[in-house]
Amino acid sequence: KNQVEQSPQSLIILEGKNCTLQCNYTVSPFSNLRWYKQDTGRGPVSLTIMTFSENTKSNGRYTATLDADTKQSSLHITASQLSDSASYICVVLIKAAGNKLTFGGGTRVLVKP
Amino acid sequence: GAGVSQSPSNKVTEKGKDVELRCDPISGHTALYWYRQSLGQGLEFLIYFQGNSAPDKSGLPSDRFSAERTGGSVSTLTIQRTQQEDSAVYLCASSSGVSSYNEQFFGPGTRLTVL
Repeated sequence: KNQVEQSPQSLIILEGKNCTLQCNYTVSPFSNLRWYKQDTGRGPVSLTIMTFSENTKSNGRYTATLDADTKQSSLHITASQLSDSASYICVVLIKAAGNKLTFGGGTRVLVKP
Repeated sequence: GAGVSQSPSNKVTEKGKDVELRCDPISGHTALYWYRQSLGQGLEFLIYFQGNSAPDKSGLPSDRFSAERTGGSVSTLTIQRTQQEDSAVYLCASSSGVSSYNEQFFGPGTRLTVL
């Protein structure tokens, strides 16, 4: 069973609307939790990095939240744009595992005009 | 450019052949990582290098996979006797260190197709 689970697997939203992506993790303890955006045919690009003591972090229209008690994180996209169409990947870094990243399966977002 | 580069961008090979994938990390980055992204799957860690330390090979799926990093810069991932299940996108990333907060910068990947 994957240690980082994301939902939904995919979603379609209309341009200008908001959406929220979910990430549940079972790994503990961890050093930090990251959200990456991966455009088709490109490598992932970091959006946010949060330590276990942080509750929220924003990067423009992207806002990530973290609840270390329930082991849940979310990524909220505000006022979506066509360029937001991509896969969004939740990643947990486990310090005890040599700082290796553990990746979720990603959520594929399609923004339609 | 100043980013991580990988070559080739696409590689098609026949089952049983050997392939070499190249990664040029960001200049000055001491840590280099290889990942594999199979169709419909999440990214999977393969191997990482940090400076002159022995590489962490714990993610390599079989002894057909190996990697080198020459001169602390360029890295080559070699897959011997390729199998169809090796078909995937191979991503390289580099970071300025292995602190838990160091950001990893990814290259565009090499798409490997084994026929």
